[in-house]
Amino acid sequence: DQQVKQNSPSLSVQEGRISILNCDYTNSMFDYFLWYKKYPAEGPTFLISISSIKDKNEDGRFTVFLNKSAKHLSLHIVPSQPGDSAVYFCAVNFGNEKLTFGTGTRLTIIP
Amino acid sequence: GAGVSQSPSNKVTEKGKDVELRCDPISGHTALYWYRQSLGQGLEFLIYFQGNSAPDKSGLPSDRFSAERTGGSVSTLTIQRTQQEDSAVYLCASSLDATYGYTFGSGTRLTVV
Repeated sequence: DQQVKQNSPSLSVQEGRISILNCDYTNSMFDYFLWYKKYPAEGPTFLISISSIKDKNEDGRFTVFLNKSAKHLSLHIVPSQPGDSAVYFCAVNFGNEKLTFGTGTRLTIIP
Repeated sequence: GAGVSQSPSNKVTEKGKDVELRCDPISGHTALYWYRQSLGQGLEFLIYFQGNSAPDKSGLPSDRFSAERTGGSVSTLTIQRTQQEDSAVYLCASSLDATYGYTFGSGTRLTVV
């Protein structure tokens, strides 16, 4: 069974500090991992991704870490800004031509 | 177009009525997906079209749900005899290759009363 789990439904972080969002997934041979960001009344937008051959990918304030042995993915945002307040979805391509999404984490940045 | 377009943006319907939701994908994108997000839930896969291949319907929750994609472009998701549990945001996405993610539309918020 291919599952993606985000165990924290919400997270509040002070502006300027680091936000860490976590995601766990079940085992699969062909993995590609993505993070999407969603604002209210808008569709999710792609944020950052990582392939299973890497353990880290960085893009500006956003860094995704992949721990394959633990089947764990995390997104770090530093420094956090008020505009980062949104729902973040972890997604995995298990090699079956579609993405499986987690349930999302609502991030609130406190000014 | 520049992005994935969905219509209507909002739809309120009475229980038992049929509804049609439309998706216009990015030009040239061969893959098209429908997902839905119910209140407090994640993104639930519904159906996937790729070129001229038979669609992957494995996510459709019941036989009241169907979808078609005409001419490899526009797609319509139809829900027959709507129920209150069908209330959700229905999201369409398109891509060239799912491996690298896809582009979503803004969604249709369906409310069944």
